[in-house]
Amino acid sequence: DIVMTQSPDSLTVSLGERATINCKSSQSVLYSSNNKNYLGWYQQKPGQPPKLLIYWASTRESGVPDRFSGSGSGTDFTLTISSLQAEDVAVYYCQQYYSIPFTFGPGTKVDIK
Amino acid sequence: EVQLLESGGDLVQPGGSLRLSCAASGFTFGSYAMSWVRQAPGKGLEWVSVISDNGGSTYYAGSVKGRFTISRDNSKNTLYLQMNSLRAEDTAVYHCARGLRGSCYSSLDYWGQGSLVTVSS
Repeated sequence: DIVMTQSPDSLTVSLGERATINCKSSQSVLYSSNNKNYLGWYQQKPGQPPKLLIYWASTRESGVPDRFSGSGSGTDFTLTISSLQAEDVAVYYCQQYYSIPFTFGPGTKVDIK
Repeated sequence: EVQLLESGGDLVQPGGSLRLSCAASGFTFGSYAMSWVRQAPGKGLEWVSVISDNGGSTYYAGSVKGRFTISRDNSKNTLYLQMNSLRAEDTAVYHCARGLRGSCYSSLDYWGQGSLVTVSS
């Protein structure tokens, strides 16, 4: 199984500041035949189901604010919130869908300082 | 508008069985892979199972393989999860979620609110 790790476990950021979350997979999730990284990012607010933010590691889902961006390739990925807003307080998960079983990272909790 | 509505969650004794349903609307259900993802109370997300658009391919997490069965009825726009030999560690909110058109290997772009399964004596 591919193991997903995230860092940090939690972070506290001032409003308007940048938040950076890292995700690492135990093996590459880059599919060479189509050059796509099979990696997604989700946001989950309390009492709500997860919401897809980013897929193929860097493609923003329709309707997601452009302050959210994804980067990375192979085994190392980053979700960046360029200017944190109050509504971004949530837990963020990465997920690989390269190989079965699809696995999620443990989550990173983002709060306002 | 895409909607996914889970039902069937309940309190069940260890060793018991339960079937969850997920009613889909607002899209061509039979064109999309569908997944189940669960979340134990206060814990993170755990992928459970995925089924292809025509039901011909199914895959499971190791923790549920041999005990859970995913299926779908495209004529009824409904996804199912049959859960047998339930254990305390299966206690969780179970979400159904939509994958990409035509592929099991995809991110999940729409999620239901979830159905709570509690396994306890």
